[in-house]
Amino acid sequence: NAGVTQTPKFQVLKTGQSMTLQCAQDMNHEYMSWYRQDPGMGLRLIHYSVGAGITDQGEVPNGYNVSRSTTEDFPLRLLSAAPSQTSVYFCASHEGGNQPQHFGDGTRLSIL
Amino acid sequence: AQTVTQSQPEMSVQEAETVTLSCTYDTSESDYYLFWYKQPPSRQMILVIRQEAYKQQNATENRFSVNFQKAAKSFSLKISDSQLGDAAMYFCAYRALDSNYQLIWGAGTKLIIKP
Repeated sequence: NAGVTQTPKFQVLKTGQSMTLQCAQDMNHEYMSWYRQDPGMGLRLIHYSVGAGITDQGEVPNGYNVSRSTTEDFPLRLLSAAPSQTSVYFCASHEGGNQPQHFGDGTRLSIL
Repeated sequence: AQTVTQSQPEMSVQEAETVTLSCTYDTSESDYYLFWYKQPPSRQMILVIRQEAYKQQNATENRFSVNFQKAAKSFSLKISDSQLGDAAMYFCAYRALDSNYQLIWGAGTKLIIKP
């Protein structure tokens, strides 16, 4: 049972480069989210989805795009990487209600 | 807007003793969910315990229990018989019962276990 799978685990980019962080879940969860975690701060919501074809912005969406073409996949795209986007990124999924979020192992992203 | 506050950036406890981590939140809703997550150095986010606001009984999971004070909007986590493996960041999170079911997170408390 894989749960939530994030790739890659580590990535170094140069300023201005673009890339996609992959997230896949095999639990048939409708709800998926992307967070960033910075030192001394809680997780901040970037984008989320309540089902295939439906996405919305979270607290810190600027510089990121998402799409949800299938229930399983929820990729996060950095359009033009900036040093301020250096962070650890987490993808999560859940069933809604009182069910907890299931997290991937995170991606440590450094922008030089 | 809802907010979650963890006022203790760091706590330490002697192994085998009990420690309480604080969490307060602000909301105008009457029904919601509350969670405690643990993040060890491995970076994984692990659910510790959850509480439904409509339940008066405090949730317990083995050595972990909560003190849920709805009127005071307080949701503290008590860890009994602390073990070295409990060392981690602990995050409190709030979820409203709206259609989006998104979590709002506190800044976390780093728990240090002294052997």
